[in-house]
Amino acid sequence: SQQGEEDPQALSIQEGENATMNCSYKTSINNLQWYRQNSGRGLVHLILIRSNEREKHSGRLRVTLDTSKKSSSLLITASRAADTASYFCATYRAGYALNFGKGTSLLVTP
Amino acid sequence: DAGVIQSPRHEVTEMGQEVTLRCKPISGHDYLFWYRQTMMRGLELLIYFNNNVPIDDSGMPEDRFSAKMPNASFSTLKIQPSEPRDSAVYFCASSLVRLAGAYNEQFFGPGTRLTVL
Repeated sequence: SQQGEEDPQALSIQEGENATMNCSYKTSINNLQWYRQNSGRGLVHLILIRSNEREKHSGRLRVTLDTSKKSSSLLITASRAADTASYFCATYRAGYALNFGKGTSLLVTP
Repeated sequence: DAGVIQSPRHEVTEMGQEVTLRCKPISGHDYLFWYRQTMMRGLELLIYFNNNVPIDDSGMPEDRFSAKMPNASFSTLKIQPSEPRDSAVYFCASSLVRLAGAYNEQFFGPGTRLTVL
């Protein structure tokens, strides 16, 4: 079953602009992860935020988590063409397996 | 480190044929996951193993699907007989959980794109 749902489904911006993607989930979580998938490739882990954290940074990435609203956002600042990919949020189901949303497809044009 | 290795990368077969997908996890990882990705359903967990033991196979769609992990460095996902609706990209991922309750990232292989005609 899908736990996280990303919004928007697709996003098109120009290089240098910021990109914001949102994720909503249904049940309580211990942490939430974001992954990136380039076309034709496997997923790559970007960042993990724990339930007791509200914000986390990694390079040009900024993730926020609002457990009261059951939502998270991923901000990519000063985007580059190389950021073109699909982005997924993921939460844990029972055990250590992940539930993924359907992703946000980001297109960054030069 | 070579990362998670999957083979074949592409597989085209006819309905009714047996298909075997292979995965080599990252050395030392104790969890292995099989996912399926389609446009309609997104990424779905099929089954996962801990120390070669299947833990949760509730995502395996039917008895036509089976998965094994005979040792820590190899796993297979078999579909017999295959059907056109099995067409998807199948991913294998592995993870190392050092401490109970420690949630770590999963490392994904490049996937196998399966087309069943």
